[in-house]
Amino acid sequence: QIQLVQSGPELKKPGESVKISCKASGYTFTDYAMHWVKQAPGKGLKWMGWINTYTGKPTYADDFKGRFVFSLEASASTANLQISNLKNEDTATYFCARTTEGIVADYFDYWGQGVMVTVSS
Amino acid sequence: DIQMTQSPASLSASLGETVTIQCQASEDIYSGLAWYQQKPGKSPQLLIYGASSLQDGVPSRFSGSGSGTQYSLKISSMQTEDEGVYFCQQGLKYPFTFGSGTKLEIK
Repeated sequence: QIQLVQSGPELKKPGESVKISCKASGYTFTDYAMHWVKQAPGKGLKWMGWINTYTGKPTYADDFKGRFVFSLEASASTANLQISNLKNEDTATYFCARTTEGIVADYFDYWGQGVMVTVSS
Repeated sequence: DIQMTQSPASLSASLGETVTIQCQASEDIYSGLAWYQQKPGKSPQLLIYGASSLQDGVPSRFSGSGSGTQYSLKISSMQTEDEGVYFCQQGLKYPFTFGSGTKLEIK
């Protein structure tokens, strides 16, 4: 069955970096784009961007340009999110999510379990 | 960016009651809308895509409708397991955007 399994929770200090992984199984990794979604505690969902799993090209939402990097280990069917120079406002759960292409739009049909990143001094 | 305005913010319903949640887009999204359910501590689950298509495995009491800028999610006959937060999402244009969520509880 299709699964996206993410790495474990992280506790970091401001200014540090963190790398989160998302390992896909049960389908051909390069056939579907991988997206990243942020959810701050008690808040809604915010789309961060996506990575083309075939070419490796990342696309970032405006609020996530600069300190955020999407990457792949395609041979391991894994997508990664790295956040540098962490700030308190980066405290959130980060989800990876696969998109399926609809007739006119794309939708998130499978999600990872989420990684809680806590930034605190 | 396309803004998604979701209402109500919270809702309580009795078992067996019909529930409706609304989502309005700031521009025509041509039915490029999905609905998700999220339970505490879990990831969102896709319920409806293309405004009205039921995702595999989702109970038939869930249905979606709408067009243009106005969309709705209906749960006919509320069940205990339907408690959670519901989000709409437009997948037509980047950046993809979500509604602010509707918290649904049993009365």
